[in-house]
Amino acid sequence: AQSVAQPEDQVNVAEGNPLTVKCTYSVSGNPYLFWYVQYPNRGLQFLLKYITGDNLVKGSYGFEAEFNKSQTSFHLKKPSALVSDSALYFCAVRDLRYGNKLVFGAGTILRVKS
Amino acid sequence: DTAVSQTPKYLVTQMGNDKSIKCEQNLGHDTMYWYKQDSKKFLKIMFSYNNKELIINETVPNRFSPKSPDKAHLNLHINSLELGDSAVYFCASSQDSGSYNEQFFGPGTRLTVL
Repeated sequence: AQSVAQPEDQVNVAEGNPLTVKCTYSVSGNPYLFWYVQYPNRGLQFLLKYITGDNLVKGSYGFEAEFNKSQTSFHLKKPSALVSDSALYFCAVRDLRYGNKLVFGAGTILRVKS
Repeated sequence: DTAVSQTPKYLVTQMGNDKSIKCEQNLGHDTMYWYKQDSKKFLKIMFSYNNKELIINETVPNRFSPKSPDKAHLNLHINSLELGDSAVYFCASSQDSGSYNEQFFGPGTRLTVL
């Protein structure tokens, strides 16, 4: 089955430092990968996606993600973290075999401290 | 201009009752979804409709019944509510059911069953 894993429940980083939120995937066939962010008591917001092409994908709010096929990873990154980036981040993969449904990881809480 | 809206935002009810959650999107999208987010923030798809046709029906109790009167609306009716139904329910939409498309989420409905 298609799946993603987010190995860290929580990531802590100081404001101004670079941040990385990890995601690894397991798919049969080509992966279609997504990152979403959820702020407290809000719905999910789309950040970026990898479909094909360039391995470095740029998204909203200064976030980017690097697709690495050999390591089956799709880590989310930002060069300089803001306190306002503190939120819950979800990695997701499309399951093409069944209605193209999105399969989400368990989520990673990002805390950025000033 | 709310893209995906849900009503109500909060729903508190007794076990055994029947309740409905409504969802509307004004994005002109063809595909709509219902997700359940449990207390551990784990997100799982429940249903998906494409142009009013059911395309994803995950293993959910048949007490849950989605209804799509038109492609801009996808409602969720729940019969005989149980304690375990307490969760946040998110509606989402995408341009179509293709694998490339990101999904746009509503603000969520927090259901509490007493």
